[in-house]
Amino acid sequence: GESVGLHLPTLSVQEGDNSIINCAYSNSASDYFIWYKQESGKGPQFIIDIRSNMDKRQGQRVTVLLNKTVKHLSLQIAATQPGDSAVYFCAETGAGRRALTFGSGTRLQVQP
Amino acid sequence: DAGVIQSPRHEVTEMGQEVTLRCKPISGHNSLFWYRQTMMRGLELLIYFNNNVPIDDSGMPEDRFSAKMPNASFSTLKIQPSEPRDSAVYFCASSLNRVSSEQYFGPGTRLTVT
Repeated sequence: GESVGLHLPTLSVQEGDNSIINCAYSNSASDYFIWYKQESGKGPQFIIDIRSNMDKRQGQRVTVLLNKTVKHLSLQIAATQPGDSAVYFCAETGAGRRALTFGSGTRLQVQP
Repeated sequence: DAGVIQSPRHEVTEMGQEVTLRCKPISGHNSLFWYRQTMMRGLELLIYFNNNVPIDDSGMPEDRFSAKMPNASFSTLKIQPSEPRDSAVYFCASSLNRVSSEQYFGPGTRLTVT
């Protein structure tokens, strides 16, 4: 079936470096994408979203890039901090569908 | 606002027992979602409501699972009878409208069925 997946299950970076977390999706009809951050023992927390009519969106220290041609989504975190350590999920949905489909998650470990 | 509220935070029960998980969405949100998270299967949508009406329950694993939303401020997810394979963290989330908007997640209920 159609799914959203992540390339790297674990990403380890040094504090202060930039992080890039990738996500592939398979449904070409998907038109809304979200990145969530989940810290241990907590529920997922919204980070940033993007709609398919855009290819880039920036937030505070985070940027989401969308490449619809290859169905790829990425989350860039600038100047990664220890507090950024968490599992990051991408999720997507599209016209006519009623549910978000979540990827399997990438664990980001920030080394001090 | 206190955010999405779930209770209990932890539940340990024996196989065969009935389990009821509770959720209070954010006031003013029209959509409510129940998810289950396990290491093996990740985060899965079980069911979602819009304006208190179940819209999509295709993710409910089997008849042992049922969910209700009697009013805009309360929802329950019931498992009867519970089985060890139901052990997971169950999240409730709410959003302003349907799916294409930010979903706010509760802290989750960690269910352990022995």
